[in-house]
Amino acid sequence: DAKTTQPPSMDCAEGRAANLPCNHSTISGNEYVYWYRQIHSQGPQYIIHGLKNNETNEMASLIITEDRKSSTLILPHATLRDTAVYYCIVISYPSGTYKYIFGTGTRLKVLA
Amino acid sequence: SQTIHQWPATLVQPVGSPLSLECTVEGTSNPNLYWYRQAAGRGLQLLFYSVGIGQISSEVPQNLSASRPQDRQFILSSKKLLLSDSGFYLCAWSAGRAEKLFFGSGTQLSVL
Repeated sequence: DAKTTQPPSMDCAEGRAANLPCNHSTISGNEYVYWYRQIHSQGPQYIIHGLKNNETNEMASLIITEDRKSSTLILPHATLRDTAVYYCIVISYPSGTYKYIFGTGTRLKVLA
Repeated sequence: SQTIHQWPATLVQPVGSPLSLECTVEGTSNPNLYWYRQAAGRGLQLLFYSVGIGQISSEVPQNLSASRPQDRQFILSSKKLLLSDSGFYLCAWSAGRAEKLFFGSGTQLSVL
C-alpha cells in the first residue's frame, strides 16, 4: 500500500488560503488520492479525491503533481469551522475492494 | 438517500465484559463495510472490512471480531474486553471501487 506523509500540524489565519501538503511517493498508477477531515469527536468527512488531474469542488481544490508523488489540498478561504484534522489517504485494491488506510493527518488550526 | 447508523454513542464497560457494537446502513445495497478504531489523540486504525455477507477481512490481530449477518449490518464484538480496547470506534461504508467513505457518528468506548 502506498503510504502518505503529512506535517503533524499547521496554522492558518482566518480568510486566508490553507495549503495542506501530502507526500505519497510510492503511489501506484491506478491509486487514487483522497482527502478527509475530522472535526473533534465526529466521524471523518469526505472532502475531495483525484487520480491525475487537479480537482475542485465546493469545499476545496486538490492539486496533484505531474509525477503524482505529492498533492496539496487547498481551502481557499479558511474559516474557524475548518479547524480539524485533515487526512490524506491512498486507496489500495486487494481482494475486490478498497482498503482505506489513514495516517495521523495534519491538525489544522484556523486562527481568528 | 443513504444513511449510516451506529450505536450506542457512548459505552462504559468493565474489563472482562463482552462487547457488541452495531452498525447499519440504509438506502443502498451490497455496501463495503468498515470498522475503525481511534485511540485518544491518535489516527484511525482499520480493524475489519467486509465486501459481502459473511465475508470479513481482519487487518490487525486483536481481541475483537466482526460479523456481517445481513447485507447492511456490521457488528463488532469481543468476548472479554481489555483496557487497551478503549477508544473511539467508527463504522463506515462505501459503494465500491474508488468510492467515497461515509462514516457513522462513532461510539466512545471506555473500558474500566
